[in-house]
Amino acid sequence: EAQVTQNPRYLITVTGKKLTVTCSQNMNHEYMSWYRQDPGLGLRQIYYSMNVEVTDKGDVPEGYKVSRKEKRNFPLILESPSPNQTSLYFCASMGRATENSYNSPLHFGNGTRLTVT
Amino acid sequence: AQKITQTQPGMFVQEKEAVTLDCTYDTSDQSYGLFWYKQPSSGEMIFLIYQGSYDEQNATEGRYSLNFQKARKSANLVISASQLGDSAMYFCAMREPTYSGGGADGLTFGKGTHLIIQP
Repeated sequence: EAQVTQNPRYLITVTGKKLTVTCSQNMNHEYMSWYRQDPGLGLRQIYYSMNVEVTDKGDVPEGYKVSRKEKRNFPLILESPSPNQTSLYFCASMGRATENSYNSPLHFGNGTRLTVT
Repeated sequence: AQKITQTQPGMFVQEKEAVTLDCTYDTSDQSYGLFWYKQPSSGEMIFLIYQGSYDEQNATEGRYSLNFQKARKSANLVISASQLGDSAMYFCAMREPTYSGGGADGLTFGKGTHLIIQP
């Protein structure tokens, strides 16, 4: 089954304790991305990756790191989490657009609810 | 300026009625894609329907259809014969060419519409 798998689903941690949220996709997608979702703010992109070893900042990258050593994996790292990073996080992947066609949807993982106290 | 605007933060609709969720978008590109996603209270993001900018016909997927008006830059989602299980957040999103931003070949999302279907 084609899917994006992210873990854990729920995570409660304390300020300053480094954590990693894992993300893996089995669709051979080149594009992967991390979003955070907050009430009233919708989905905001944190980082994205166009291919292995190619990553770039999204709209809200501060306080986050990513890496793309393999095509299928795109972990999100919070080196020193703070309470304002309490949020619902989504990993997603997407197939390449072809000329004049963008019909490959973004496939989402099930989300990680992070609470930083 | 927002690239995707969803003007209805919340909607209440009677079961079995049709629902139209509004979405307007802003792009200067001729080639782009428009998507709708559903997010139930359980949190997952479910892809519903896609419309390409060059598609001449409105997209349909079961009870979902997309009312695409290119000149007005609107891509409204229509749900026919609404059901209680349609209660959820709905997000409109756009994919543009790589050079236009949106996370370089990613999707830009609207802030969503919270739809509640009443029995």
